[in-house]
Amino acid sequence: QVQLRESGPSLVKPSETLSLTCAVSGFSISDGFLWAWVRQAPGMGLEWIGSLGHSEAHYNESLKSRVNISLDNSNNEFYLKLTSINVAETAVYYCVRVAALNYRRFFDVWGQGLRITVSS
Amino acid sequence: DIHMTQFPSSLSASVGDRVTINCRASETVLGFLNWYHQRPGKAPEFLIYAGFRLHSGVSSRFSGSGSGTNFTLAISNLQPEDLGTYFCQQSYSAPPWTFGQGTKVEIK
Repeated sequence: QVQLRESGPSLVKPSETLSLTCAVSGFSISDGFLWAWVRQAPGMGLEWIGSLGHSEAHYNESLKSRVNISLDNSNNEFYLKLTSINVAETAVYYCVRVAALNYRRFFDVWGQGLRITVSS
Repeated sequence: DIHMTQFPSSLSASVGDRVTINCRASETVLGFLNWYHQRPGKAPEFLIYAGFRLHSGVSSRFSGSGSGTNFTLAISNLQPEDLGTYFCQQSYSAPPWTFGQGTKVEIK
């Protein structure tokens, strides 16, 4: 059974860098798929942050200058770094596996989510 | 970016009812449309891809239809565990793969 689990600080100060880790179990990230981050502000909808695979990378254009996603095959983890974070980015951050079937991509496995508060 | 609009934004129905949720894309997404269910305080769960194909293990009470710009998620014989928010998402072409704003389902 594939499982994803986010970890990182629950509180970040404005203008600092948010660094999150997603530990993957039950599947080797080196075997393929895309690996993504999605966030959800309180009471709001879902916002895709970016996705990374071994041959492609995509980032939300509105965040592109501040976001980096990376993979660590040896530890079977992937990471999110979001620089210059602001209060409006308080949200639950999810790590997600992006599967594909017949060219159709879908987010089939989600982590439980990590609540991040941006406050001084 | 392709904008996704869901309606209604919320609905209330009784156990055993059939409910439908609509999702409209600002431009065609062909059949590249997914549905997710998020229970309160939980992560979203994947339900349907390609507009109508059920993910493994998803109850047959769920069904999807549509193509192009208009899609529908139907839940038959509504159960208490179906409460929560449902999101559509398009995955047509290159990212961003955008979500609808969600439809909240409440049980009377």
